[in-house]
Amino acid sequence: KQEVTQIPAALSVPEGENLVLNCSFTDSAIYNLQWFRQDPGKGLTSLLLIQSSQREQTSGRLNASLDKSSGRSTLYIAASQPGDSATYLCAVYVSGTYKYIFGTGTRLKVLA
Amino acid sequence: EAQVTQNPRYLITVTGKKLTVTCSQNMNHEYMSWYRQDPGLGLRQIYYSMNVEVTDKGDVPEGYKVSRKEKRNFPLILESPSPNQTSLYFCASTSMAGVMWGEQFFGPGTRLTVL
Repeated sequence: KQEVTQIPAALSVPEGENLVLNCSFTDSAIYNLQWFRQDPGKGLTSLLLIQSSQREQTSGRLNASLDKSSGRSTLYIAASQPGDSATYLCAVYVSGTYKYIFGTGTRLKVLA
Repeated sequence: EAQVTQNPRYLITVTGKKLTVTCSQNMNHEYMSWYRQDPGLGLRQIYYSMNVEVTDKGDVPEGYKVSRKEKRNFPLILESPSPNQTSLYFCASTSMAGVMWGEQFFGPGTRLTVL
């Protein structure tokens, strides 16, 4: 059964630091992986979608990579800002099941 | 504006009183889902629908029903709510075409409390 893990569960960094968030999945049979941010009490905002055939996607200060064979994805945030403070979630679309599995998230705090 | 809407946003009810949470999307997406989000457990898929009249169970379907009579709407029905269904619920709509195939778009959430 597919399991998705995000470590660490929480992270505090000073403003301006480059940082990496991790997402691991146990079964490499996925259609795609999507990164989201969630602000407290709010819905999920899509950040980046990586199809299984792709290695990385970039949007502004964000870069997401995917290594299916090792079951890992990373979200790189460059020059972090206090406005980046949120919970970051990854989700995989599992091949053959039509289901999505989410990680439990990394709560990021960027200190001014 | 492309969006997923949910109603109500907040709901307090009592055990056993049937309720429906509505979900609507204006993006002509085939795939729609319902999730619940609980502290420490993350988001878990309740039900999903690949298209009109096609629905299937996610990982936590017990106590819930869904229907998909129109492409844009995917209501979540709790026939006899219980306190363990107190949670934050999200509806999502997913594109199944083009280069962004499989990208999920989420509604704002419905916070449900069952007393």
